[in-house]
Amino acid sequence: QKEVEQDPGPLSVPEGAIVSLNCTYSNSAFQYFMWYRQYSRKGPELLMYTYSSGNKEDGRFTAQVDKSSKYISLFIRDSQPSDSATYLCASGDSNYQLIWGAGTKLIIKP
Amino acid sequence: DSGVTQTPKHLITATGQRVTLRCSPRSGDLSVYWYQQSLDQGLQFLIQYYNGEERAKGNILERFSAQQFPDLHSELNLSSLELGDSALYFCASSGGTSGEQFFGPGTRLTVL
Repeated sequence: QKEVEQDPGPLSVPEGAIVSLNCTYSNSAFQYFMWYRQYSRKGPELLMYTYSSGNKEDGRFTAQVDKSSKYISLFIRDSQPSDSATYLCASGDSNYQLIWGAGTKLIIKP
Repeated sequence: DSGVTQTPKHLITATGQRVTLRCSPRSGDLSVYWYQQSLDQGLQFLIQYYNGEERAKGNILERFSAQQFPDLHSELNLSSLELGDSALYFCASSGGTSGEQFFGPGTRLTVL
């Protein structure tokens, strides 16, 4: 079992829909959780950072962490074609080593 | 722009050759990470340096090596190259205690 599991997709949704991307993790020591967006053949870009449990909102993006179920989510409201990318989740412990999910390919259809 | 720079952007070479990839971290960041990403694959962690010292190793082949210099830039050396080494190589840097990593634009390596 991988420490961070993420469905590779692709996930295809119509423009304007709410997108839900999810990861599960197995290591209880993980304290911080991140979502990165990667456009094709570009460097991953940090979207959201969350420490411990709870929600964080930034514009159209909301990140949620539920440590009791070891579940992390990223919601995108009013999705746009420019949101089409691969979304990577990552989790880390106090050693600052990130464990990465495989990435979910998201396609927003105009 | 993340503030992390990588050179060169593209590299085309032949099997058996040796190449060096260079990374300059964000100003003030002490940690540098190297990742490999093959076509349509996830990020594979290779190695981490912190202030000149090796901190962690991932799935790095023995043919690969890295170092971090006193000015904190880092180099990844790939030798005896094989076709399967063709990939994107990313460098990331981190400086604070939050664990966030900031990625460079990558070097695309093609081995023919």
